[in-house]
Amino acid sequence: GAGVSQSPSNKVTEKGKDVELRCDPISGHTALYWYRQSLGQGLEFLIYFQGNSAPDKSGLPSDRFSAERTGGSVSTLTIQRTQQEDSAVYLCASSPSGGNQPQHFGDGTRLSIL
Amino acid sequence: GENVEQHPSTLSVQEGDSAVIKCTYSDSASNYFPWYKQELGKGPQLIIDIRSNVGEKKDQRIAVTLNKTAKHFSLHITETQPEDSAVYFCAASEGSSNTGKLIFGQGTTLQVKP
Repeated sequence: GAGVSQSPSNKVTEKGKDVELRCDPISGHTALYWYRQSLGQGLEFLIYFQGNSAPDKSGLPSDRFSAERTGGSVSTLTIQRTQQEDSAVYLCASSPSGGNQPQHFGDGTRLSIL
Repeated sequence: GENVEQHPSTLSVQEGDSAVIKCTYSDSASNYFPWYKQELGKGPQLIIDIRSNVGEKKDQRIAVTLNKTAKHFSLHITETQPEDSAVYFCAASEGSSNTGKLIFGQGTTLQVKP
């Protein structure tokens, strides 16, 4: 069956521009997570959705970062006024209903800020 | 908050040998510990997980052990094959929340030499 789908797979943009990253979770999964992976590093939690609400936004690094989820499915992570330190791979994961259930990851969006 | 330490950062073994990767965590309330395998350009793939009410779990050539008292858990791969070469990440659930938020180790690059 279809796994977690992320787009675009690669994004190169100039410093100061806004970017939108998309995540399409596994059908029926109510829990959705965004993580960030800097070069050669582990994954850093950004935000958690249960349905359309985000009860845990504690990992968003600044107010330039925001995310939404509509229809309990697709999620968009938006970074405004991008900075070079935003360069990383942004990974999305979903699980059936959150809690300690297995999270399944997409292949990520590799974001490069020039 | 939760902190996860992973060792070693790199590991090289001969095909057929065993490989062991170790992680420690700081939050005694953590109760879910997954392991992920990440190949170049791909998202992390869940290979095995263990919950705090279990001390050991095995799936073919892969096993995970958990010592709650010492707050450490380990991944054991037996009869390694070249296709096991990848980056492996351990993770621990954040104990204070019920969201499924995962805290990741820094990763271990495993090289299996033919």
